[in-house]
Amino acid sequence: EAQVTQNPRYLITVTGKKLTVTCSQNMNHEYMSWYRQDPGLGLRQIYYSMNVEVTDKGDVPEGYKVSRKEKRNFPLILESPSPNQTSLYFCASSRGTEGAFFGQGTRLTVV
Amino acid sequence: GQQVMQIPQYQHVQEGEDFTTYCNSSTTLSNIQWYKQRPGGHPVFLIQLVKSGEVKKQKRLTFQFGEAKKNSSLHITATQTTDVGTYFCAEGLFGNQFYFGTGTSLTVIP
Repeated sequence: EAQVTQNPRYLITVTGKKLTVTCSQNMNHEYMSWYRQDPGLGLRQIYYSMNVEVTDKGDVPEGYKVSRKEKRNFPLILESPSPNQTSLYFCASSRGTEGAFFGQGTRLTVV
Repeated sequence: GQQVMQIPQYQHVQEGEDFTTYCNSSTTLSNIQWYKQRPGGHPVFLIQLVKSGEVKKQKRLTFQFGEAKKNSSLHITATQTTDVGTYFCAEGLFGNQFYFGTGTSLTVIP
């Protein structure tokens, strides 16, 4: 079954404690992205990747890092999380500009 | 980044009524994609429009792309409770940049 898998689904953490949200896709898609979703603001792109070792900033990259060492994986790293990064995060993959497949989401709370 | 404005932000309809959400841009769009997100779920791709004036249908859903490629609409005929959710439009650019509208949250009252 074609899917994008994110882990964990829910996470509560404290300010400053580094965390990683994993994302994996099984569709051999070149393109992968991370979004955050906040009420009234829709989906905003954090980082995107066009292929292995190729990443670029989206609209809201501050406070986040990503890596793309393998085609299937695209982890999101928060080196020092802050409360304003409390949000719902989605990973997505796509082929070119075709429709994106989204993961189930990760609800992150930073206290 | 790109600005894709979507209206209305919320819409409540009686079951059986029609529903329309609109997407507008100040610049010409390369394409327009529509997604649906059920409450508590993740966005699911519905369709992509590329050509000026394009109209596509999926059962009770009709998608239109404006002649100037600066606006788009999603129309649902005779809404059902299964239509509940938030509908997003998005422009997909080469290189996997996607710009999403703020979404329209649809509530269907039985």
